[in-house]
Amino acid sequence: EAGVAQSPRYKIIEKRQSVAFWCNPISGHATLYWYQQILGQGPKLLIQFQNNGVVDDSQLPKDRFSAERLKGVDSTLKIQPAKLEDSAVYLCASSLVRENTIYFGEGSWLTVV
Amino acid sequence: SQQGEEDPQALSIQEGENATMNCSYKTSINNLQWYRQNSGRGLVHLILIRSNEREKHSGRLRVTLDTSKKSSSLLITASRAADTASYFCATDVNGDMRFGAGTRLTVKP
Repeated sequence: EAGVAQSPRYKIIEKRQSVAFWCNPISGHATLYWYQQILGQGPKLLIQFQNNGVVDDSQLPKDRFSAERLKGVDSTLKIQPAKLEDSAVYLCASSLVRENTIYFGEGSWLTVV
Repeated sequence: SQQGEEDPQALSIQEGENATMNCSYKTSINNLQWYRQNSGRGLVHLILIRSNEREKHSGRLRVTLDTSKKSSSLLITASRAADTASYFCATDVNGDMRFGAGTRLTVKP
């Protein structure tokens, strides 16, 4: 079974630029998550989708972050404009249903300079 | 906001010793899960314990859950150098998964 795929793996951008991350969850998984993990900290939930609907985006900085999950499969997370404090690993994860085991991708490492 | 808090923040032991990590949380949960993260990698699911369970085993892992104290512990027996990683607890509240800051475990050969 293929795991959660994420790209790009690494990205370096200047502040005020934009960046987009892509995620392809495990086939059949209805729930998709985006987490932000700053070095030395635990993952922080940014947004959770159930199929193509948003379940929780309470911690998403909506003035600069946006995410969508078209057709309830792939998802993209965009940051525009980026700030220095956005430097982190962006982890995509999926689960079959809510209240179930979450499977993580390898993450997209963002450095904002 | 993060729900679980792991303790200790860092733990260093010799190979063959047991490692115990604790997690405390604040609100009622549906289940609690433990994950491992090797440096530079994604998180890997280790074990899930439901709110009506008190103890669960998987290989060298033993997890306990005390809902009255809102705490959980992860025990790794007979540790190996390959167990060196960060370990996170995640609390599930109606499908909303929140992670703690993690325990950094170092197992010296």
